[in-house]
Amino acid sequence: IQMTQSPSSLSASVGDRLTITCRASQSIGTYINWYQQTPGNAPKLLIYGASTLHSGAPARFSGSGSGTDFTLTISSLQPEDFATYYCQQTYSLPVTFGQGTKVEIK
Amino acid sequence: QVQLVQSGAEVRKPGESVKVSCKSSGYTFNTYAISWVRQAPGQGLEWMGWISTYSGETEYGDKVQGRVLFTKDAPTNTVYMELRSLRPDDTGVYYCARDPGIVGPTQAAEGMYNWFDSWGQGTRVTVSS
Repeated sequence: IQMTQSPSSLSASVGDRLTITCRASQSIGTYINWYQQTPGNAPKLLIYGASTLHSGAPARFSGSGSGTDFTLTISSLQPEDFATYYCQQTYSLPVTFGQGTKVEIK
Repeated sequence: QVQLVQSGAEVRKPGESVKVSCKSSGYTFNTYAISWVRQAPGQGLEWMGWISTYSGETEYGDKVQGRVLFTKDAPTNTVYMELRSLRPDDTGVYYCARDPGIVGPTQAAEGMYNWFDSWGQGTRVTVSS
């Protein structure tokens, strides 16, 4: 299953509301997770099962969608949110990730 | 707290093998599986496979199938990833991650979910002649 994220990169300002999209090449129900990765660090889980916030992830992150179209939303961008975000499907093998969305400071 | 600690950086020549360890602490080892993910320089994340820490059952990704072996050592709460016949395009950072999917790397048929909720710090593997 191919996971396609859009955009591949974007520039935004602190306080902006941000939406990142992930489209699956076939229906995956709600078997999608979202991760954040900052340079030089391991990814961190933000959202699992499409919309459940992982404990420890800030409440400004939210996820939605089912089937083939999914979104990750950051309600008010903070300085520590400038990072690369990945979606991941765990519906069927092989487990696959999106290509990533890099969020940069405007 | 949950911790996954990986072994240090490795440099190998093409054709050689590398073995990376991932030691878990802060939870009951055999109640979570371990998945392995790698990242080539400047690139995205690639799933390499999964091992059940309960049964030792494994699943491998297509790109490394036939060259990779995951093993576990329950007494030391450690999982190992061995990659053989290394090529320059195996260069990258290798991560282990904790996965609640103890039945399999995907559990949609059972109505259960997988995710990677804790990650090791990564192990850099460089393959160069």
